[in-house]
Amino acid sequence: QQPVQSPQAVILREGEDAVINCSSSKALYSVHWYRQKHGEAPVFLMILLKGGEQKGHDKISASFNEKKQQSSLYLTASQLSYSGTYFCGTENTGNQFYFGTGTSLTVIP
Amino acid sequence: NAGVTQTPKFRILKIGQSMTLQCTQDMNHNYMYWYRQDPGMGLKLIYYSVGAGITDKGEVPNGYNVSRSTTEDFPLRLELAAPSQTSVYFCASSFRGLIVEETQYFGPGTRLLVL
Repeated sequence: QQPVQSPQAVILREGEDAVINCSSSKALYSVHWYRQKHGEAPVFLMILLKGGEQKGHDKISASFNEKKQQSSLYLTASQLSYSGTYFCGTENTGNQFYFGTGTSLTVIP
Repeated sequence: NAGVTQTPKFRILKIGQSMTLQCTQDMNHNYMYWYRQDPGMGLKLIYYSVGAGITDKGEVPNGYNVSRSTTEDFPLRLELAAPSQTSVYFCASSFRGLIVEETQYFGPGTRLLVL
């Protein structure tokens, strides 16, 4: 039930772009994206509800393909502050919420 | 607003001891959640509640119990602590309506070590 994220880890230079994918084997009602810095609680980035929508703010956006049960997070012109572990969280119609395996993102100068 | 608060921040338990992790939110959220996060891993849902008096099991409920007597509080009880319960525990809350779903706000976490 746990969604699978790819890649597991990525290293970027400042200004480069990255894509993080989240894939589920179950039909999804919603997808959440969070960023977690070491030793801290996860922090919300955005929610996408079923309907194939795309959302974004600043240089971070995400898409949700309901038919493929996949979501992607797009980070453009990365900044040092983007470093952390990114988790997708997926919910099916039964109120059960599952976090993904995580993607470690490191941005270097 | 304080948001989601958790106590204690850190605790060491001996095998077989019991304890209650406290979680309080002041945002009038109807949904509350308990997660555990093992080192280097993602979060796993232990229990959740859709409102006062209503709780349900998540992915990893064994060894834990919860109650939700008020909207604000959602304590997590560990009975007969085991080393496998060494983890960081996060409480979260969110507001959900018929057509509205909002983000989960997380507390700062409780680090638990069972020896």
